[in-house]
Amino acid sequence: EIVMTQSPATLSVSPGERATLSCRASQSVSSNLAWYQQKPGQAPRVIIYGTSTRATGIPARFSGSGSGTEFTLTISSLQSEDFAIYYCQQYHDWPPQFTFGQGTKLEIK
Amino acid sequence: QVQLQESGPGLVKPSQTLSLTCTVSGGSIRRGSYYWTWIRQPAGKQLEWIGRISTSGATNYNPSLMSRVTMSLDTSKNDFSLKLNSVIAADTAVYYCARDTWDRFSNWLDPWGQGILVTVSS
Repeated sequence: EIVMTQSPATLSVSPGERATLSCRASQSVSSNLAWYQQKPGQAPRVIIYGTSTRATGIPARFSGSGSGTEFTLTISSLQSEDFAIYYCQQYHDWPPQFTFGQGTKLEIK
Repeated sequence: QVQLQESGPGLVKPSQTLSLTCTVSGGSIRRGSYYWTWIRQPAGKQLEWIGRISTSGATNYNPSLMSRVTMSLDTSKNDFSLKLNSVIAADTAVYYCARDTWDRFSNWLDPWGQGILVTVSS
């Protein structure tokens, strides 16, 4: 099983500043990496897939990068609605399986 | 716009079978080459993929749960289901259904249902 490790566990950032979240895979996942945002009491929603493609309706301040085993989610100028938990997710072809990171909580500084 | 909604008992006794259904609206479950997926999340913990089923009925399960999981699809009702048998307290979680969406290079889950809390307790 591919293990996904996110860092940091908690990130405190002020509104308007940049946030950088990291995700590391225990083995290469090529570009098959997605990011989700989850707010309290809500289901996760996809914000980035294929490492760097923004999902429909996601603002341009969200960007993803990386390949292989190291990935980054960057939020360029934090808005109040961006404070949430973010999960990375990889998909492996064989055996078919999704695995998620443990999450990074993005909180207001 | 496709929407998903989970339904089923919120309380299951230990050793019994957890049964949930996900109803798809806004589009046919048979349309497109999608997989239909279950994920769960214990309180305060990370997401765990349970498994998925294709429109042709092919299934893939998380190896850690494979011995206890069965998924099925009912195209006439436009829904799909999860059964998890021999449940224990550690199976207590919010259960989500989602669509496994893919392109040539990646797979992701979108959209998701709102989730349903299932508690395993006597």
